[in-house]
Amino acid sequence: GAVVSQHPSRVICKSGTSVKIECRSLDFQATTMFWYRQFPKQSLMLMATSNEGSKATYEQGVEKDKFLINHASLTLSTLTVTSAHPEDSSFYICSAPGQGGSSPLHFGNGTRLTVT
Amino acid sequence: GQNIDQPTEMTATEGAIVQINCTYQTSGFNGLFWYQQHAGEAPTFLSYNVLDGLEEKGRFSSFLSRSKGYSYLLLKELQMKDSASYLCAVRDSNYQLIWGAGTKLIIKP
Repeated sequence: GAVVSQHPSRVICKSGTSVKIECRSLDFQATTMFWYRQFPKQSLMLMATSNEGSKATYEQGVEKDKFLINHASLTLSTLTVTSAHPEDSSFYICSAPGQGGSSPLHFGNGTRLTVT
Repeated sequence: GQNIDQPTEMTATEGAIVQINCTYQTSGFNGLFWYQQHAGEAPTFLSYNVLDGLEEKGRFSSFLSRSKGYSYLLLKELQMKDSASYLCAVRDSNYQLIWGAGTKLIIKP
């Protein structure tokens, strides 16, 4: 089945630094990838839709200059959290749509970001 | 606006049956998904419904009524490992996924 690999799984960084999260589709091509954020005991919140070869589409309230998304190839999308602050600490999950109408989203394993 | 409602938390006993309901109001409908999410992990796909009726997959079944904007996930022969959050998600007319807040299921021995 389709596999999405996300790295790193866990990262701790200091306030003010930047963190890059990678999301790869291992056995299929993904022209679109979705980046979600999830705070404890809350549901998934879509941050942005990453489009291969073009600009990402950000959801309302998500700062595009703070959360930089790059989708340079059909198998790789990256999310960079710039100038991280403690309130950015969260669980970040990427996903890619499957092929066909009944196919679910394929999720990466998520990245637990802790900003100290 | 678009809205998906599901109970915040449910408790059930090991070996029993539990039904998790989901009601939705979305701009269009192109399928409903159920996902399971264990704490600290990414969601995993459980089921997909696009037509009315019941879809059975082992211990898990999912039901859909489009006219009522209603779905449920039925879990039979509950096991301790079924303790998790269950997320209902609807794909709207723009093929965007709208997520429910999730139902935390607690299984007691």
